[in-house]
Amino acid sequence: GNSVTQMEGPVTLSEEAFLTINCTYTATGYPSLFWYVQYPGEGLQLLLKATKADDKGSNKGFEATYRKETTSFHLEKGSVQVSDSAVYFCALREMDSSYKLIFGSGTRLLVRP
Amino acid sequence: GAVVSQHPSWVICKSGTSVKIECRSLDFQATTMFWYRQFPKQSLMLMATSNEGSKATYEQGVEKDKFLINHASLTLSTLTVTSAHPEDSSFYICSASRDPNPEAFFGQGTRLTVV
Repeated sequence: GNSVTQMEGPVTLSEEAFLTINCTYTATGYPSLFWYVQYPGEGLQLLLKATKADDKGSNKGFEATYRKETTSFHLEKGSVQVSDSAVYFCALREMDSSYKLIFGSGTRLLVRP
Repeated sequence: GAVVSQHPSWVICKSGTSVKIECRSLDFQATTMFWYRQFPKQSLMLMATSNEGSKATYEQGVEKDKFLINHASLTLSTLTVTSAHPEDSSFYICSASRDPNPEAFFGQGTRLTVV
């Protein structure tokens, strides 16, 4: 079945460091891909998305490119801030009739001043 | 963006009682709503998918009689945890989408503690 694999955390960085969180997926067809962010005690917020191969999603300085050849959707940010500390989830949406979201295990990011 | 509101944000209940959690799409009509459960420091586990006016589709291993889901309108779905026990304590999150848009919008979550 479809699945999403994320790098394990926690990831600890200093402020202004470069961030990469790896995400790969297994899916039939052409799923849509998402990154969600969850701050402590809150629900999930959509960070960015891509709906087809080679699309680049971007928001708040974060970027991810839908790479079909490597089945990847890695999240990057050039300069992280303390306020970026959160848990990041990679997800794919199945494009069958269920429209289910399949989540990765989440990666906790801690940015130190 | 679209707003999904969950209520309550947190609830404490006694073992053996039932608890209802509401999920509302405030500014759009949600054709599909999803209910998730999240254990501490873990990912979201999909419990069920509900479509307005029809019975919910439960994931394998989720007890239908324990977790009652009702999706009576295009803006409201409810999850009722019946005869709650301490092991039901968790963070419950709903999401809503309007087909065929692939984007899902999440509520802020409900922390349930059963004592």
